[in-house]
Amino acid sequence: DVKVTQSSRYLVKRTGEKVFLECVQDMDHENMFWYRQDPGLGLRLIYFSYDVKMKEKGDIPEGYSVSREKKERFSLILESASTNQTSMYLCASSLSGGGEKLFFGSGTQLSVL
Amino acid sequence: QQQVKQSPQSLIVQKGGISIINCAYENTAFDYFPWYQQFPGKGPALLIAIRPDVSEKKEGRFTISFNKSAKQFSLHIMDSQPGDSATYFCAAINTGGFKTIFGAGTRLFVKA
Repeated sequence: DVKVTQSSRYLVKRTGEKVFLECVQDMDHENMFWYRQDPGLGLRLIYFSYDVKMKEKGDIPEGYSVSREKKERFSLILESASTNQTSMYLCASSLSGGGEKLFFGSGTQLSVL
Repeated sequence: QQQVKQSPQSLIVQKGGISIINCAYENTAFDYFPWYQQFPGKGPALLIAIRPDVSEKKEGRFTISFNKSAKQFSLHIMDSQPGDSATYFCAAINTGGFKTIFGAGTRLFVKA
């Protein structure tokens, strides 16, 4: 089975802190994604990467950046955390060809105080 | 803006009943429509998906009905069980693209 592992289940940070969310997948998938999940809004795409060192903006990239130095690892960075970034963050991966058939990690619940 | 509208927000069904969740989309370029199931504390998992060249797809107790002219699709869960209690998301994507658009989600509770 594909396994997508997110480093933290819960995270509490203070406003202005720099936050790193880490994600690792073990199935040699080409594509990796970061979504945020908010009640009533579903899942919204922040950034995605289709190859090492390649990244593309999703629908809500403001306030975030990403890094993909190795194929299996995709990091989400909040340069200066704000309270409106309190959310559930979900990492996903997919085989080559696009964003069909996403495999998700269990998520990181981030609280920014 | 591309949107997928999902209803209802929440649903309570008796064990053995039929659960129905509806979605509507706007962008006719979408050609792959997956449904994801999410249990508490877990990430969403692909449940079933359909392409617009068929009007129905069935996998066990789960069926997707697709109406291309109305730009609507729905998930039917037959003989609903308490273990089906979860949040369900409909979604849409253009094949080969990377941006899956998700509905807002439906919280299903199946009463024993």
